[in-house]
Amino acid sequence: DTGVSQNPRHKITKRGQNVTFRCDPISEHNRLYWYRQTLGQGPEFLTYFQNEAQLEKSRLLSDRFSAERPKGSFSTLEIQRTEQGDSAMYLCASSSRHGHEQYFGPGTRLTVT
Amino acid sequence: QQPVQSPQAVILREGEDAVINCSSSKALYSVHWYRQKHGEAPVFLMILLKGGEQMRHEKISASFNEKKQQSSLYLTASQLSYSGTYFCGTERDSNYQLIWGAGTKLIIKP
Repeated sequence: DTGVSQNPRHKITKRGQNVTFRCDPISEHNRLYWYRQTLGQGPEFLTYFQNEAQLEKSRLLSDRFSAERPKGSFSTLEIQRTEQGDSAMYLCASSSRHGHEQYFGPGTRLTVT
Repeated sequence: QQPVQSPQAVILREGEDAVINCSSSKALYSVHWYRQKHGEAPVFLMILLKGGEQMRHEKISASFNEKKQQSSLYLTASQLSYSGTYFCGTERDSNYQLIWGAGTKLIIKP
């Protein structure tokens, strides 16, 4: 078990372009979370999956953001029509059915120019 | 509502002790503590559950005062490796969603 992995690690895109990030959770972890973190701040909750079901989505999240977890394993986060304010570190975490603690991946740093 | 962490930053000499607090205005089910080093992902330290016991991991321990809805993280005889930003994440109603504090930056000097 190599932990949570995220790809790509870095993404530079121009404003208006679409980007997609991938997260592979720890195997057999049924819960998966997406967060956004900006410099000097704690992680900000975006959305949460239990198996393949998306159970919660932050009210702060605009319609430009969408996430999927089609087979209850890996997940993707897509941002459409990126804006400079979307520049941040996007973190993925997973947790098992037996506990509440979350294990984080290394993150994808997005820069929108 | 975001929990309030205090202090915002702490500078210690190696071997000194520190206390970091996390307070919420809402009733909590659990409080999680994580440490994040610069450029890295947060790393889980421990979780305090409502009605649970004080937790300890090596020389780091934590408590949860349900009456005050406040958790405290205690770092004893700090080591250089303790440097980083400490975040508390609060969970209400056992819903698996964490609301995070703004963090406490800890700097340990030799």
